[in-house]
Amino acid sequence: AQKITQTQPGMFVQEKEAVTLDCTYDTSDQSYGLFWYKQPSSGEMIFLIYQGSYDEQNATEGRYSLNFQKARKSANLVISASQLGDSAMYFCAMREGGSFQKLVFGTGTRLLVSP
Amino acid sequence: DAGVTQSPTHLIKTRGQQVTLRCSPKSGHDTVSWYQQALGQGPQFIFQYYEEEERQRGNFPDRFSGHQFPNYSSELNVNALLLGDSALYLCASSLGYRLAGDNEQFFGPGTRLTVL
Repeated sequence: AQKITQTQPGMFVQEKEAVTLDCTYDTSDQSYGLFWYKQPSSGEMIFLIYQGSYDEQNATEGRYSLNFQKARKSANLVISASQLGDSAMYFCAMREGGSFQKLVFGTGTRLLVSP
Repeated sequence: DAGVTQSPTHLIKTRGQQVTLRCSPKSGHDTVSWYQQALGQGPQFIFQYYEEEERQRGNFPDRFSGHQFPNYSSELNVNALLLGDSALYLCASSLGYRLAGDNEQFFGPGTRLTVL
């Protein structure tokens, strides 16, 4: 069963505007972690932001914030003041495993920022 | 401070051949994970190495094997290559095997494998 769902294959946004990338997840664990990664055309995955299941506040990192709605099992990424360099693939991932942990990724959303 | 490095960058092989991909983790990291990313998909976990042992494995056949060396670098070996093995292979490193916001996985640029 798919554990991370990203329903937006592609998103368009104008420079300086805000954009929300959707992510829903499925888990029966009480303790879990959610990550967002950016993947430019070069291929490298760049860590953006993390939200732990017990964190009471939504995570923020500069222009990135995570809209965490635990009851709805959603962890949407909000990028404020988009820049041309934000054009890339964005992946939502969930930490899985007990002692030894791995990431389970969604299928990604391609973001294009236009001037 | 060098990040995660992978070699080679690109590789072209034919069906049935064998391939070895290499990864050096970020300085100070001791855990290496490998992921396969098919075109248009998210990365899929292959396996993870810690203290030179395979600690967990994803849903990949035995044709996929690996190794971790005492200096924490790692190799991914794929035998009897199939067309479906064509993908970007990503190596990720972390300090220890528990992942969080202050201990995320750092990814390398990947090796693009094409099987003809």
